[in-house]
Amino acid sequence: DQQVKQNSPSLSVQEGRISILNCDYTNSMFDYFLWYKKYPAEGPTFLISISSIKDKNEDGRFTVFLNKSAKHLSLHIVPSQPGDSAVYFCAASTTGTASKLTFGTGTRLQVTL
Amino acid sequence: NAGVTQTPKFRVLKTGQSMTLLCAQDMNHEYMYWYRQDPGMGLRLIHYSVGEGTTAKGEVPDGYNVSRLKKQNFLLGLESAAPSQTSVYFCATNRTPGGYNEQFFGPGTRLTVL
Repeated sequence: DQQVKQNSPSLSVQEGRISILNCDYTNSMFDYFLWYKKYPAEGPTFLISISSIKDKNEDGRFTVFLNKSAKHLSLHIVPSQPGDSAVYFCAASTTGTASKLTFGTGTRLQVTL
Repeated sequence: NAGVTQTPKFRVLKTGQSMTLLCAQDMNHEYMYWYRQDPGMGLRLIHYSVGEGTTAKGEVPDGYNVSRLKKQNFLLGLESAAPSQTSVYFCATNRTPGGYNEQFFGPGTRLTVL
């Protein structure tokens, strides 16, 4: 049972435009959400996170939105740059579970010139 | 500081062979994790440790064993490798809980079992 889902395996966006990556979850106990970025042949690197007490967190070009009632979060990248081309993983965690993360299947973002 | 390192980077095994993957961290983090990444599956937790001398099972522990004899090292063992264990393995670390913290990942080990 996939508790964290990323239904779009891939996304292509022009440079300068907005990239929107989506993530849905089923476990209502999740209270902390993270986005990781992964380049080929490298480990995932942390990008941005949000606690369930917030509905928005912004860091430079990256903003994460959380809609708890819909069990949905999204990552917005504005403006998109060619260096943003990577696989993005959504992850979720629950308080008291040794900070274990449940990952989505990832979305491959390609930013074209 | 090297952060999180993994040894080896690549390995090819024959079915039935054994091997140990080493994860080392110099960040003095308490928590360590082993994940596997497979196409279309995301990252799945194999085993984890909340401190030196402790280990616990994750989502997909079968066929693997782990040990955390020293705080800075977390070993993942395959006693009898199977083709289904062909994957990319990632180690990760986390600070002691007390707040929400992100995990820091190593560069990965690509394992092929023939």
